[in-house]
Amino acid sequence: GESVGLHLPTLSVQEGDNSIINCAYSNSASDYFIWYKQESGKGPQFIIDIRSNMDKRQGQRVTVLLNKTVKHLSLQIAATQPGDSAVYFCAENYSGAGSYQLTFGKGTKLSVIP
Amino acid sequence: KAGVTQTPRYLIKTRGQQVTLSCSPISGHRSVSWYQQTPGQGLQFLFEYFSETQRNKGNFPGRFSGRQFSNSRSEMNVSTLELGDSALYLCASSFDRVGYTFGSGTRLTVV
Repeated sequence: GESVGLHLPTLSVQEGDNSIINCAYSNSASDYFIWYKQESGKGPQFIIDIRSNMDKRQGQRVTVLLNKTVKHLSLQIAATQPGDSAVYFCAENYSGAGSYQLTFGKGTKLSVIP
Repeated sequence: KAGVTQTPRYLIKTRGQQVTLSCSPISGHRSVSWYQQTPGQGLQFLFEYFSETQRNKGNFPGRFSGRQFSNSRSEMNVSTLELGDSALYLCASSFDRVGYTFGSGTRLTVV
């Protein structure tokens, strides 16, 4: 049959505005989460991570929020720049025995309007 | 410090052939994992190695295999290539499940 590409959610923001990218994760036992940025033709680039014993973590221009109650993760980018245009993925990991993989979300395509 | 190095960057193979991809992790990282990325399925886990031992394997057929050497470098092999194996193959290294860092990937095209 014909293969269908993943329908990527898209987010368009004006340069200088703040961006919020959301992710619902699947495993309630996951205790480690990472946000990645992937530009065309490149591998995923690590942005920021957070462990389940935290609700919030800040980096340079980025903040990750974790809501374990509803299994939701968000990435906030302050003062979005054209160079932030990319696909953003969240990834989850369960650090228990026998689990050594990241499970990725489908990704969100961020487009920054100059 | 040097990042994760994957070779080759691009590869074109014919159906039925086999292919070997290489990954050199960040110095000091002993965990290497492999992922397949396609437009249809997104990023999917293939397998993970730590100190030359496969600790985890994803839901892929036996045509996909890998190994890790004593210097932590890893290779993955795909035998009897199919058109559907065309994908970006990504390698990630980590210091035992912390800070997974990806390479630029190998773009495999099967014709």
